[in-house]
Amino acid sequence: AQTVTQSQPEMSVQEAETVTLSCTYDTSESDYYLFWYKQPPSRQMILVIRQEAYKQQNATENRFSVNFQKAAKSFSLKISDSQLGDAAMYFCAYAMRQGAQKLVFGQGTRLTINP
Amino acid sequence: DTEVTQTPKHLVMGMTNKKSLKCEQHMGHRAMYWYKQKAKKPPELMFVYSYEKLSINESVPSRFSPECPNSSLLNLHLHALQPEDSALYLCASSFRLAGVYEQYFGPGTRLTVT
Repeated sequence: AQTVTQSQPEMSVQEAETVTLSCTYDTSESDYYLFWYKQPPSRQMILVIRQEAYKQQNATENRFSVNFQKAAKSFSLKISDSQLGDAAMYFCAYAMRQGAQKLVFGQGTRLTINP
Repeated sequence: DTEVTQTPKHLVMGMTNKKSLKCEQHMGHRAMYWYKQKAKKPPELMFVYSYEKLSINESVPSRFSPECPNSSLLNLHLHALQPEDSALYLCASSFRLAGVYEQYFGPGTRLTVT
């Protein structure tokens, strides 16, 4: 079975600084997707960024970028120029490429932004 | 319109009550999902519908009964719930079930079982 591990239950960063959230996963599949979802205190979860395992290039979305290390099964999220609106619970998630997109979530990292 | 709506926002029910949660999307998505989320935990998948047919049931107790009357609407019927069923119930939808399609989540229904 696939598992996703986020080893940092909580993190904090000063506004405008850079922070990196860690995620590791375990799978025997070679083709899959990885995601970072953000759940602000208002609860609505939104997709931040996604990575397809067959793509070597790391995904980037504005201030958000990932460091995807397939051999190490690591998928970290870097947030640059942190803003107060980035404060949220961040979930790393995995889904197999074949078949139904069943998301396997990590336990989450709560990110606090200090003004 | 990239919105998934859920009603009600909050629900308090007794263990003998019958209630329903409603989820709606108008994005043309053909896959819809129910998740259960306990406090400070990740969402846990409960059910998935694809083209209005139940595709996945994650061994959820029968006191939870999903229904997908049409491609825009997803219901979760609740009956004889237990206090441990108190949680945030999230609905999500995606363009299709398979593939790298983003799941769009609703704000959730906060359920309290007394």
